[in-house]
Amino acid sequence: DTAVSQTPKYLVTQMGNDKSIKCEQNLGHDTMYWYKQDSKKFLKIMFSYNNKELIINETVPNRFSPKSPDKAHLNLHINSLELGDSAVYFCASSQDFNDGGLNIQYFGAGTRLSVL
Amino acid sequence: GQNIDQPTEMTATEGAIVQINCTYQTSGFNGLFWYQQHAGEAPTFLSYNVLDGLEEKGRFSSFLSRSKGYSYLLLKELQMKDSASYLCAVRDDGNTGFQKLVFGTGTRLLVSP
Repeated sequence: DTAVSQTPKYLVTQMGNDKSIKCEQNLGHDTMYWYKQDSKKFLKIMFSYNNKELIINETVPNRFSPKSPDKAHLNLHINSLELGDSAVYFCASSQDFNDGGLNIQYFGAGTRLSVL
Repeated sequence: GQNIDQPTEMTATEGAIVQINCTYQTSGFNGLFWYQQHAGEAPTFLSYNVLDGLEEKGRFSSFLSRSKGYSYLLLKELQMKDSASYLCAVRDDGNTGFQKLVFGTGTRLLVSP
């Protein structure tokens, strides 16, 4: 069973369109994340949610709207797509221990978004 | 600001030992992770250091010096399958109390026969 699964794997679309990427984790984790990896392979945090509540929002344009219907799902909706949005988007999850415990993040396989 | 530096690319031969360095300057520090990412795949966890010193895990070891803002990942007995990118990530929870990872740009390691 895949621990963190995201769909679709590939997404090709025109500028100006609206698209969504879905993410689900079956690890029972409380926290989920969205990352963007650009063409230079730089992996940058966009959002994190803990138990459906927004924790991190890293100055991402408001065209990007995450939604967490429950703690096992974190979807990403992108409005009015731009050329610069082309990247690989990774979803991840972790169990956050506030006692300083090891919180490993587990990543999904990524969604390669190409905006034409 | 947050700054994490790694060499862009390294090459080594099968059976050799390679050390990948990472230096960091971050506003906070709650630990340092190393992840491995094969081309076109997800990053996967390799190691974690929160205290100074060496953590050994089979062929892979990771070292941390918090006073120097420095870590390295040591890979021994290199195999062809070790060809991948290695990402250094600092955990900086800030004032949220929840985990936030700041990644370096990654080091692409090429292992040749």
